[in-house]
Amino acid sequence: GAVVSQHPSRVICKSGTSVKIECRSLDFQATTMFWYRQFPKKSLMLMATSNEGSKATYEQGVEKDKFLINHASLTLSTLTVTSAHPEDSSFYICSAPSGGAGTDTQYFGPGTRLTVL
Amino acid sequence: AQSVSQHNHHVILSEAASLELGCNYSYGGTVNLFWYVQYPGQHLQLLLKYFSGDPLVKGIKGFEAEFIKSKFSFNLRKPSVQWSDTAEYFCAVNARSSASKIIFGSGTRLSIRP
Repeated sequence: GAVVSQHPSRVICKSGTSVKIECRSLDFQATTMFWYRQFPKKSLMLMATSNEGSKATYEQGVEKDKFLINHASLTLSTLTVTSAHPEDSSFYICSAPSGGAGTDTQYFGPGTRLTVL
Repeated sequence: AQSVSQHNHHVILSEAASLELGCNYSYGGTVNLFWYVQYPGQHLQLLLKYFSGDPLVKGIKGFEAEFIKSKFSFNLRKPSVQWSDTAEYFCAVNARSSASKIIFGSGTRLSIRP
């Protein structure tokens, strides 16, 4: 099946710094990718839809200036957590759909564990 | 907007017991339905999916799910669970009009006693 990678798998940063997380579709192209946040023992919360060649679409309650998304190519989307704070510590997961319209399946990356000190 | 409900937060079973995890969704239009599994320390994997056709779909590792449109349900079943089925299970829905966007249920943690 299709493979989605994320880098880094873990990152620890100081409060106030910015962190960039990459999501790549390795063997297929994706005009859209999705970013999720998963809290401990909780479900995945959709944060935003990353659109190649246009602005990302954010879900209600997600600060677009805080979580910058750039879909640089058909195989790469990046999520930058700006001015990170401890409450941003979480597990961030990306996904990309592969398949025809109406029948595509999402493939998920392995996730990035962000810890903000 | 679509939503997904999983009513069982934590299910504990003994090996060889039968499993059924409930999933109900809320959306008036046509949907695609999924069950994902997340084993401890691993990333999400697709168990099975329903797009159209036979409402009884079979997935990997002996799992199956039945789409009942009148009940807006997509329950997951397995006749005989194994200790290795211990994981978090997520039901998810994608409204076909929403460009692949998937909404997840809150998840059900399945613990299997050996």
